[in-house]
Amino acid sequence: DAGVIQSPRHEVTEMGQEVTLRCKPISGHNSLFWYRQTMMRGLELLIYFNNNVPIDDSGMPEDRFSAKMPNASFSTLKIQPSEPRDSAVYFCASSFGEVYEQYFGPGTRLTVT
Amino acid sequence: GQNIDQPTEMTATEGAIVQINCTYQTSGFNGLFWYQQHAGEAPTFLSYNVLDGLEEKGRFSSFLSRSKGYSYLLLKELQMKDSASYLCAVTRVKDSNYQLIWGAGTKLIIKP
Repeated sequence: DAGVIQSPRHEVTEMGQEVTLRCKPISGHNSLFWYRQTMMRGLELLIYFNNNVPIDDSGMPEDRFSAKMPNASFSTLKIQPSEPRDSAVYFCASSFGEVYEQYFGPGTRLTVT
Repeated sequence: GQNIDQPTEMTATEGAIVQINCTYQTSGFNGLFWYQQHAGEAPTFLSYNVLDGLEEKGRFSSFLSRSKGYSYLLLKELQMKDSASYLCAVTRVKDSNYQLIWGAGTKLIIKP
């Protein structure tokens, strides 16, 4: 298996623009997690899905952030409009369930200018 | 509320042993993960403890005491490649769903 796939790997955009991050989990995994990591705040769980259904989105910063999982092999995290404080590395991870080890993708480094 | 504490940074010598502690306060505790993250890379799984006691995996061991809200990761025969951040994460049950709470991580620096 190729592991968790994320795209793009790097994204530079201007404030106010829409940003869409994509994730393909490992085939057979039931849970998918979106994280944000910065030096100041560390690793933060934004949202996670079980069987394509959002279970806990309490970490989503505000209405500018939205996440979808239309099927078992694809998820998106959208930021609209983006702001400089959204600059971070965004990781997607998948697992067989919430209490199983998570496999992380390589991350998307987002820079909002 | 929930809280996870880890030392921010630790330094150790190649070939030595180091223990990284993690304390937590949370209701509905289910288990505790340890992950390793090298600079510029994604976290990778090291261990998961649910029951009290020590679990050993090669040079790495992880210990859990549920009654004390305490865990540690023990690294033996340290190698330069062990220089990384080590993240402690707790799973808990809330409203019939699992929540995962991450610590801020401990940056481990290995010196020759």
